Amino acid sequence: QQQVKQSPQSLIVQKGGISIINCAYENTAFDYFPWYQQFPGKGPALLIAIRPDVSEKKEGRFTISFNKSAKQFSLHIMDSQPGDSATYFCAASDDYKLSFGAGTTVTVRA
Amino acid sequence: DAGITQSPRHKVTETGTPVTLRCHQTENHRYMYWYRQDPGHGLRLIHYSYGVKDTDKGEVSDGYSVSRSKTEDFLLTLESATSSQTSVYFCAISLSKGGAADTQYFGPGTRLTVL
Repeated sequence: QQQVKQSPQSLIVQKGGISIINCAYENTAFDYFPWYQQFPGKGPALLIAIRPDVSEKKEGRFTISFNKSAKQFSLHIMDSQPGDSATYFCAASDDYKLSFGAGTTVTVRA
Repeated sequence: DAGITQSPRHKVTETGTPVTLRCHQTENHRYMYWYRQDPGHGLRLIHYSYGVKDTDKGEVSDGYSVSRSKTEDFLLTLESATSSQTSVYFCAISLSKGGAADTQYFGPGTRLTVL
């Protein structure tokens, strides 16, 4: 049973558009919520992360929105670029262990 | 890759054969992890280690064992490989030195095919 549910499974966005990926969790012991980006043939790479005492975190074109009461968090990719085409995973941490969502494949069309 | 190497990078083996995958880190981090990645499942934790000779099970540990005799090496063993263990295996390390930091960094992966 996946502890973190991620949607959509895939999305296509035009260059310059906004990509939005959503995740939900049930375990209130989770205290750290990272997002990873993975290119084919590579290991996942940390993109951005947030802790539950903050509702939003922005790094460049990437923003995490966090809703503690709803137990949901999302990744927004602004001004999407072809180089952003990758698979994105949300995750949640409890006691040094990460639980991952199933992943979202993002395709940015030029 | 935060100084993480995995070997081998690719392996094809037959059902019933023992297989050992190696994860090596160069920066003396305490926490090390083994994950498997399968389509539709994301990454799932197999085993992890919080120090030399200190290991614990993750959510998909059946059929796998681990050992950590040195800080820098974390070995994953499939005692008798099955086709269901065909997957991409990732090692990760945590830079946490205690407290709440849980940032994990991943190695390049090992693609294992069990025929």
